[in-house]
Amino acid sequence: DAGVTQSPTHLIKTRGQHVTLRCSPISGHKSVSWYQQVLGQGPQFIFQYYEKEERGRGNFPDRFSARQFPNYSSELNVNALLLGDSALYLCASSQAGGSSYNSPLHFGNGTRLTVT
Amino acid sequence: GIQVEQSPPDLILQEGANSTLRCNFSDSVNNLQWFHQNPWGQLINLFYIPSGTKQNGRLSATTVATERYSLLYISSSQTTDSGVYFCAPFNNLFFGTGTRLTVIP
Repeated sequence: DAGVTQSPTHLIKTRGQHVTLRCSPISGHKSVSWYQQVLGQGPQFIFQYYEKEERGRGNFPDRFSARQFPNYSSELNVNALLLGDSALYLCASSQAGGSSYNSPLHFGNGTRLTVT
Repeated sequence: GIQVEQSPPDLILQEGANSTLRCNFSDSVNNLQWFHQNPWGQLINLFYIPSGTKQNGRLSATTVATERYSLLYISSSQTTDSGVYFCAPFNNLFFGTGTRLTVIP
């Protein structure tokens, strides 16, 4: 079975632009989570979606938004890019979600975003 | 607030040595995962271990939820074990600070 797939793998954008990152979960997984990892730090939680509904949101500004589609794939959108948005963006999928969250997380290889 | 602390922050080992990585957390947990991030940035799920002990080859993990810590044991370390190890309790909403492991041949 294919793992979690993310696209694109690398992206270079200019300040003020917007970006859309895509994620396809493992087949059968209904939950997708997004994380931002800045160099030298651990992943920071951005969003979790389960069954197309937002089930959790981290401490990120409204410039960050996401959605999940009927096939459980997901998009992360970031508007008005800042230099500080440069990071590795990781998508993870799991079978369950919602209030329990009791399901192992499996990560994709990430999208490395550089904002110049 | 919720805190997740890992120790040591950095560890350098000779190939073949054993090591123990620790994860302390500030509140009760109902799940906890250990991950290995390799030098290419890939995050690999090692263990899902909300409590008890699990083993997978040279790696094993123990979580004592009542005392709010988890341990990751690496035996007979290999150069491919190098990278950063993260623990993530609290429904994967918070990741620890990580332990950077370097295994020298």
